Amino acid sequence: GAGVSQSPSNKVTEKGKDVELRCDPISGHTALYWYRQSLGQGLEFLIYFQGNSAPDKSGLPSDRFSAERTGGSVSTLTIQRTQQEDSAVYLCASSLGRGSNEQYFGPGTRLTVT
Amino acid sequence: AQSVTQLGSHVSVSEGALVLLRCNYSSSVPPYLFWYVQYPNQGLQLLLKYTSAATLVKGINGFEAEFKKSETSFHLTKPSAHMSDAAEYFCAVSVRGGSNYKLTFGKGTLLTVNP
Repeated sequence: GAGVSQSPSNKVTEKGKDVELRCDPISGHTALYWYRQSLGQGLEFLIYFQGNSAPDKSGLPSDRFSAERTGGSVSTLTIQRTQQEDSAVYLCASSLGRGSNEQYFGPGTRLTVT
Repeated sequence: AQSVTQLGSHVSVSEGALVLLRCNYSSSVPPYLFWYVQYPNQGLQLLLKYTSAATLVKGINGFEAEFKKSETSFHLTKPSAHMSDAAEYFCAVSVRGGSNYKLTFGKGTLLTVNP
């Protein structure tokens, strides 16, 4: 079946602009995670969704970052007023949730802030 | 809080040689442990996971890992390296309980396989 998909695959934006990154999880997966992969910080957890709610937002680095999930499916990560340090690969993962610890990752969105 | 340490940011082996990638973890509660592989410009693919059923875990592509609680280790091995194994490998930990299995990753080990 289809895996996790993310769009766009690459995004170049100017400093100060807002960006939206999209994640389509595997159908039926109730849990969704966002991670960030950067040269300096490695792979970091950002936010966890169970259904449409986000009980763990502890990894969001600042209030410029927000995320939502609608219909228990698609999720959007929004970065406002982008900064150069936001440049990274943003990875989305989904899992069956409720007792399942196996996460399936998408290919990521490479964000470059100029 | 949990943490993962991967010893060696870069490991180089010859084709056909043993692959050993080291991972040590820290967790205040019994952990779940994972190894992921990342090929260039791709996402992460799960190689194997430890969830307490057995301490020796076999994964895809001939890889296996052994959970050693006394050493807080979960090293990844493969008896004979293949050129296609060249990639970056990440060890990760998550904790049991609840429904949030967010992963804490090590810094990664880049594996190079020489012909």
